[in-house]
Amino acid sequence: KQEVTQIPAALSVPEGENLVLNCSFTDSAIYNLQWFRQDPGKGLTSLLLIQSSQREQTSGRLNASLDKSSGRSTLYIAASQPGDSATYLCAVAQSGTYKYIFGTGTRLKVLA
Amino acid sequence: SAVISQKPSRDICQRGTSLTIQCQVDSQVTMMFWYRQQPGQSLTLIATANQGSEATYESGFVIDKFPISRPNLTFSTLTVSNMSPEDSSIYLCSAATGSHQPQHFGDGTRLSIL
Repeated sequence: KQEVTQIPAALSVPEGENLVLNCSFTDSAIYNLQWFRQDPGKGLTSLLLIQSSQREQTSGRLNASLDKSSGRSTLYIAASQPGDSATYLCAVAQSGTYKYIFGTGTRLKVLA
Repeated sequence: SAVISQKPSRDICQRGTSLTIQCQVDSQVTMMFWYRQQPGQSLTLIATANQGSEATYESGFVIDKFPISRPNLTFSTLTVSNMSPEDSSIYLCSAATGSHQPQHFGDGTRLSIL
């Protein structure tokens, strides 16, 4: 059974820092991995999608990498801003089912 | 990317009643899903909404409690039946245009049961 874990569970950093969020999964048979952010009281906003054949994806200050064989993904946020404060979730799509299994989330707070 | 609208955005309901949540997508999509997010938790998949046929439920979720409809490629409903306080959660709808495409989410329905 696929299990997705995110470390750390919570993170507080000063504005301007570069930071890395981690996502690990136990079953490497995945179609893709998607990173989301969730603001308090809101739904999920899609950030980046990495296909199983890809190693990384970039969008603005965000860079996500995928190492399928080791069951790991990282989300790198450059020059963090207070507006980046949110909960970040990773989700893996299982091969053969397309169903998403969500990670436990990382609550990020960027201090001005 | 698809824009997903959910209604209602929140509701407070009495124990034993039922509530139907609507999910409308602004374009045709292949896949639609329903998730539950309990307080302080991550998302758990309830079921895959299949167009024109019965939904596919995950372990721990049953059709009698969470009946789902999907009459076409842009619309789905989730009913939470015979509600109890344990059903107090956020219920989210998502959609994707294909198996290798990103899933997009609505803002969710915040449900509180008294």
